Amino acid sequence: QAVVTQEPSLTVSPGGTVTLTCASSTGAVTSGHYPYWFQQKPGQAPRTLIYHTSNKHSWTPARFSGSLLGGKAALTLSGAQPEDEAEYYCLLSYSGPWVFGGGTKLTVL
Amino acid sequence: EVQLVESGGGLVQPGGSLRLSCAASGFTFNDYWMSWVRQAPGKGLEWLANIKEDGSQKFYVDSVKGRFTISRDNAKNSLFLQMNSLRAEDTAVYYCAGGNYRAYWGQGTLVTVSS
Repeated sequence: QAVVTQEPSLTVSPGGTVTLTCASSTGAVTSGHYPYWFQQKPGQAPRTLIYHTSNKHSWTPARFSGSLLGGKAALTLSGAQPEDEAEYYCLLSYSGPWVFGGGTKLTVL
Repeated sequence: EVQLVESGGGLVQPGGSLRLSCAASGFTFNDYWMSWVRQAPGKGLEWLANIKEDGSQKFYVDSVKGRFTISRDNAKNSLFLQMNSLRAEDTAVYYCAGGNYRAYWGQGTLVTVSS
């Protein structure tokens, strides 16, 4: 099955902007992969932030946005807050099976 | 209030079996695909299996094909994962997830495979 790759770790300053990416071993990520983004804090269940590339749930802070960028799915955080420090996972569909990325540990420092 | 509550985890010996359950409430369970996802200690999330609204389609990650079976009972708003031939590497917290665009997650149930 496919391998989905994310940056292992990123650091952003409070108030700053950072982009996390999600690449597929099978080629460019497209809307047909229905990219999802999840946030997970230590000891908690994941929380769904973005679905189908760029759509937000009602609880998703406006500072998070999703897109396709250079053949990858991307999650951009604009105006980082201390509470955004967490692990972020992308999830891609492969016409039946789904595959998570390895996760990006985001530090706000 | 939407709730997904997993149960059935515990300690099992290698080669043993376990059946996980997920009780759903607060949303129209039979309108949505449902999934099982696991997370080994200190590791990332791993998608395991999906099941269609009516149970007619199921997909699995290669590592559990032939050993794990996902099923659902829409009359009881419940999702299941039958796990056979368990291995040490199946030790993880198991989450059920689903609902409107995978909006909902349970708190997870811990499965430990050890002798």
